[in-house]
Amino acid sequence: DQQVKQNSPSLSVQEGRISILNCDYTNSMFDYFLWYKKYPAEGPTFLISISSIKDKNEDGRFTVFLNKSAKHLSLHIVPSQPGDSAVYFCASNFGNEKLTFGTGTRLTIIP
Amino acid sequence: DVKVTQSSRYLVKRTGEKVFLECVQDMDHENMFWYRQDPGLGLRLIYFSYDVKMKEKGDIPEGYSVSREKKERFSLILESASTNQTSMYLCASSFKGGRVVTLHFGNGTRLTVT
Repeated sequence: DQQVKQNSPSLSVQEGRISILNCDYTNSMFDYFLWYKKYPAEGPTFLISISSIKDKNEDGRFTVFLNKSAKHLSLHIVPSQPGDSAVYFCASNFGNEKLTFGTGTRLTIIP
Repeated sequence: DVKVTQSSRYLVKRTGEKVFLECVQDMDHENMFWYRQDPGLGLRLIYFSYDVKMKEKGDIPEGYSVSREKKERFSLILESASTNQTSMYLCASSFKGGRVVTLHFGNGTRLTVT
């Protein structure tokens, strides 16, 4: 049973435009939500997180939005750059070290 | 900078072989994890360890075991490899405690079981 779902396996966006990656979850007890980015032949790296008590967190070009009533979070990248092309995983936890990951979305930025 | 090193990038093993995947971290992290990554399934937790000689099952522990004899080293063992264990295996480490725990991943070991 997939508790964290990313329904879009892939997304293509023009360079300079906004990229929006989506994630849905089923367990309302999740405490923190995180986004990881993965390049081919490398391990995932942490990108940004948000607490369940907030609805927005911003870090430079990256903003994560949390809609608890819809059990939905999204990652906005503005403006998108070629180096953003990667696989993005959302993840969540219950306030401990164990992360539950989504299935991933492959983002391709078109120059 | 945290470094998590997995001993092999690629491994090819035969069905029934015993397979060891090794992982070493250099940041004195208490926690270490083994995930596998499969297309359409994302990253799934196999086992994790929060201290030397301590281990806890993740979501898909069947067919695997682990060993943590030293703080910096965490081994994943496939007792009798099967073709459905062909996958990308990712090791990670983190500090213990806190509500937001950032995992640091190695570059992965791609295992093929034939």
